Amino acid sequence: ETGVTQSPTHLIKTRGQQVTLRCSSQSGHNTVSWYQQALGQGPQFIFQYYREEENGRGNFPPRFSGLQFPNYSSELNVNALELDDSALYLCASSPDLGTGELFFGEGSRLTVL
Amino acid sequence: AQSVTQLGSHVSVSEGALVLLRCNYSSSVPPYLFWYVQYPNQGLQLLLKYTTGATLVKGINGFEAEFKKSETSFHLTKPSAHMSDAAEYFCAVTSSGAGSYQLTFGKGTKLSVIP
Repeated sequence: ETGVTQSPTHLIKTRGQQVTLRCSSQSGHNTVSWYQQALGQGPQFIFQYYREEENGRGNFPPRFSGLQFPNYSSELNVNALELDDSALYLCASSPDLGTGELFFGEGSRLTVL
Repeated sequence: AQSVTQLGSHVSVSEGALVLLRCNYSSSVPPYLFWYVQYPNQGLQLLLKYTTGATLVKGINGFEAEFKKSETSFHLTKPSAHMSDAAEYFCAVTSSGAGSYQLTFGKGTKLSVIP
């Protein structure tokens, strides 16, 4: 059984640029969530997708957007990057809306200069 | 709104000693509670969870936690620490009400195990 995979693992961008992060969910999972983990902090919920529809959103501005595809893979897009966007971005999948048990990928570490 | 407070950003124990990591939560509805572990440069792995039923829950690697509603706590324990337990531990809360299982995490507790 393949787990959650994310790409790229590391990337460096400059302020104002745009970035796309990708996530392949675990086989059989139809729900994907994205979290931002700043250095020394716990993960913060960005948004969740269930069967290709956004199903919940945290306190993040509209320049954070996402997609879920028919195969349940997902993208996180961030426009107009700011220095504070530097963080580990974690994707997590779950078999359905279930009970909140999430299966996390290893993350994409974004550095904004 | 829900919140989680983890007491102690860094805890050190000797190998073989008791591990106790503290977590208090705030929730206006019955909570679902979780402990996740994060090893360096890795994602998070579920240790254990409480949803309903028995308040003492057992997880992987010998960890357990007890849900105490009156104290709004969900502390994580392990009787005997092992070197491989050194990692960062996150407590998280959610609820079933909204249909969106958004987890609210604490800031984490880094556990060091001294040989």
